[in-house]
Amino acid sequence: AQKITQTQPGMFVQEKEAVTLDCTYDTSDPSYGLFWYKQPSSGEMIFLIYQGSYDQQNATEGRYSLNFQKARKSANLVISASQLGDSAMYFCAMRTQGAQKLVFGQGTRLTINP
Amino acid sequence: DTEVTQTPKHLVMGMTNKKSLKCEQHMGHRAMYWYKQKAKKPPELMFVYSYEKLSINESVPSRFSPECPNSSLLNLHLHALQPEDSALYLCASSQVGRLAVETQYFGPGTRLLVL
Repeated sequence: AQKITQTQPGMFVQEKEAVTLDCTYDTSDPSYGLFWYKQPSSGEMIFLIYQGSYDQQNATEGRYSLNFQKARKSANLVISASQLGDSAMYFCAMRTQGAQKLVFGQGTRLTINP
Repeated sequence: DTEVTQTPKHLVMGMTNKKSLKCEQHMGHRAMYWYKQKAKKPPELMFVYSYEKLSINESVPSRFSPECPNSSLLNLHLHALQPEDSALYLCASSQVGRLAVETQYFGPGTRLLVL
C-alpha cells in the first residue's frame, strides 16, 4: 500500500525566508511520481511541482524546488524567498505507475508573517 | 491553458432536493476525477472516468451519481443527500499515459451545504 506522511501540521515563517515542508512516502513500486499542491483558503488545489522516481535531478519550478532523497523516501518542498501569498495548505501526493489514484498526505498549513 | 472550471461555486440544498455539479476542461485530457474534501482534511477520491468510462468508484453511496457526457464534461448528480455530505467537491483532469504527464489539474471546487 502507498502512504504519504507530512509531519508538520502547521508552520510559521517570516516573509522572505526560505521554508522547507517535509514529506515522506512509502511504496514498494519502483515507478512512481510525487506531486506537491497548494490549496489557498479559496479551495482550489494548485499544482506546484512534480518529481518522478527515475528522475536524476531534483525538480525546480521558479521559487519551488523539490529535495528528493530516494534512499530516505523523502520529497521535501523548498520555497525560496517566501511571500505573503504563499500562506496556504500544502499537500504532498504520490501516484504509482498504472494507478489512477493519487494518495495525499494530511497537509501542512503554512503561514507567512510580514 | 491548465484550466478546469466548476459550477456552481456554492450550493445549498435540502435533503430532498436533486442538484448537479458540473465540471469542464479543454486540455484534451481523457481522465476526469471527482474528489470530496472535508475541512482540514486531504481530498478523498470518489470517482474516476477514463476515456468517458467509469473506471473507479470508491464505494461511494448511490445518492451520488456521476456522468461523463463527453471527454470535456463531467457531472455529479446529487439526490437525497445527508448533512454529512456537506463538503468541498473538487473536479480534476489529467492525461492518461506515462506517469510524468499524468499530473492532475484541479478546478476551483463547489462548496456544498446540505441542510
